[in-house]
Amino acid sequence: AQRVTQPEKLLSVFKGAPVELKCNYSYSGSPELFWYVQYSRQRLQLLLRHISRESIKGFTADLNKGETSFHLKKPFAQEEDSAMYYCALISGNTGKLIFGQGTTLQVKP
Amino acid sequence: DGGITQSPKYLFRKEGQNVTLSCEQNLNHDAMYWYRQDPGQGLRLIYYSQIVNDFQKGDIAEGYSVSREKKESFPLTVTSAQKNPTAFYLCASRDRHQPQHFGDGTRLSIL
Repeated sequence: AQRVTQPEKLLSVFKGAPVELKCNYSYSGSPELFWYVQYSRQRLQLLLRHISRESIKGFTADLNKGETSFHLKKPFAQEEDSAMYYCALISGNTGKLIFGQGTTLQVKP
Repeated sequence: DGGITQSPKYLFRKEGQNVTLSCEQNLNHDAMYWYRQDPGQGLRLIYYSQIVNDFQKGDIAEGYSVSREKKESFPLTVTSAQKNPTAFYLCASRDRHQPQHFGDGTRLSIL
């Protein structure tokens, strides 16, 4: 079965601390994975896609096929990073997204 | 900004009533999607459409209906058969091989 798991509902860190939001997936074939972010009172927006291999707002994510993971990392968290983060994968060629349950990141001053 | 417009922002439904949520996009995207967002459950796919006049059920289609008569429009009707309609509804669209773009969402509540 295709599934995305984000084990942490809430991750709370202090400003300047490293952040790692965990994402594990189950998918037969080559997955295409994304991180979406939803800031307070804003629409859900794309943060990263694994095929781009880029860093957005200091965040990076590496696809680890051996561990079936796509963890999101940032070396120094900022208060403005506080938001809901969703990991998702595309199912087949329909473009359907399968989302994880989401992790709320809270960065304290 | 444009892109994807969902309306209304807030909607209230009475018992036994059908309500329709609007989703319009000016991005010329072929594919459109409806998701439901509940706390602690992430987003779940209700319906999707890859082309005009065609649509498919998602994971939680029961109690919902859609139409796709125009490329830019993909309205979602929450019928009285949906027993737990209170949620945040998100519409998205996508160009082929590109990530999905989302609207601002509609929050539906029961009166």
